[in-house]
Order: sequence, then C-alpha cells, then structure tokens
Amino acid sequence: GESVGLHLPTLSVQEGDNSIINCAYSNSASDYFIWYKQESGKGPQFIIDIRSNMDKRQGQRVTVLLNKTVKHLSLQIAATQPGDSAVYFCAENIYNQGGKLIFGQGTELSVKP
Amino acid sequence: DTEVTQTPKHLVMGMTNKKSLKCEQHMGHRAMYWYKQKAKKPPELMFVYSYEKLSINESVPSRFSPECPNSSLLNLHLHALQPEDSALYLCASSQDEGTPYEQYFGPGTRLTVT
Repeated sequence: GESVGLHLPTLSVQEGDNSIINCAYSNSASDYFIWYKQESGKGPQFIIDIRSNMDKRQGQRVTVLLNKTVKHLSLQIAATQPGDSAVYFCAENIYNQGGKLIFGQGTELSVKP
Repeated sequence: DTEVTQTPKHLVMGMTNKKSLKCEQHMGHRAMYWYKQKAKKPPELMFVYSYEKLSINESVPSRFSPECPNSSLLNLHLHALQPEDSALYLCASSQDEGTPYEQYFGPGTRLTVT
C-alpha cells in the first residue's frame, strides 16, 4: 500500500492468517527490489529481495511477487505471527544509479492474537 | 557477523554544538550509507561511500559532514543543526555499490536538536 501525508497504511490480520502487503514502485528502470521489516525503535531488517529478471521468489514463510507490467510488488507472509507486527517497506534500486535505494511509504502490519 | 553497529543510541544536542555519529561494520562491505528517517516515514538517503570515497551526496546541507576513515568505519559530523534535523539517523552497508545487493542497517541514532 501507499500512504498519503502522515498516515501509514495499516493492515490488521488475525494470527495464523496470511498477509499480503502491496507496493507500487515508480521507475520502470528499477532492476532490484527489497522488502524490509522495521520494528519500533530498530533499524530496517532485510526480509527478501528480487531482481527484475524474476517474477517470484520464496523465502521462509515469505514470498515476493513482482509484476513489471504494472510496476507492482507484493510481500506475502504465511501463517502470520504476533512477532511479524512491524512496518514493512519496499525499496527499489534504479539501474545505473549505484547503491541508491528508494523506499516506499511503508505499511504497518498489526497481528491480533 | 552481519551486524552494523552505531553509537550513540541517543543524542541530544543544542543548535551550537558539534557532535559526531559513528558507524562500524566488519562484514568486508565496500559500500556504506547514511540515511535520515523521520517518524512514520521511510528512510531517505543522505550519502553513499564506495571504497572509502564519497560517491553520492543527496544535496544534504553542509551542516552534515560525512567521513569514511577506513573501510569499516563511517562517521557523520554534525554542526549548527536545526530542530527540524531531529530524526533517526541510520547507517547501512552493502557488499558493493556497483551491483545492487541488500543493504544491512544498524539500529540507528535517535537525534534530538534543542
């Protein structure tokens, strides 16, 4: 999801359900994408990445899907747990702009026990 | 060791003070980054160092002065800051700048300018 102004989009799920967090990215020249998880008072933590020559990548309990046609990225978390509660950011790296990452606005995931 | 460390954790400084933020990594990474993050907002890139040389400066005001003394250390020198500079300052590192790799972030320094 994308936020406007000061309010983060929020997603509230029940423990054990699957979560889907969406992100629209801006540049068709972006060739590398990362999902980060940021808990309160901590720095962003790497979850999973995907390069533009792929459309799906799976990790442990997480899957990232990339749709280059509509410039859309999603993060799926299976069997969501209370420890998954955090703000999730997608980030894109634009080809030929070195290590510069551009972050999306973030989505706050809240898991109800 | 996949850790990026930052000191101090918290810093309160007046507008006339000079202080420094420190960042360290021992992963052999050759690219290091400074980001600024305001509450409820995403991190915003400030500076990129690649092989100890400044490669990106995102038009950051000169009251922020980065320094990379060696491949493991990154400093951010602060002078004559404004209250609006209060934020979480994050350091990150990655294997290289040329080919995109995941960036590992430190826990940040929470800066308050009074």
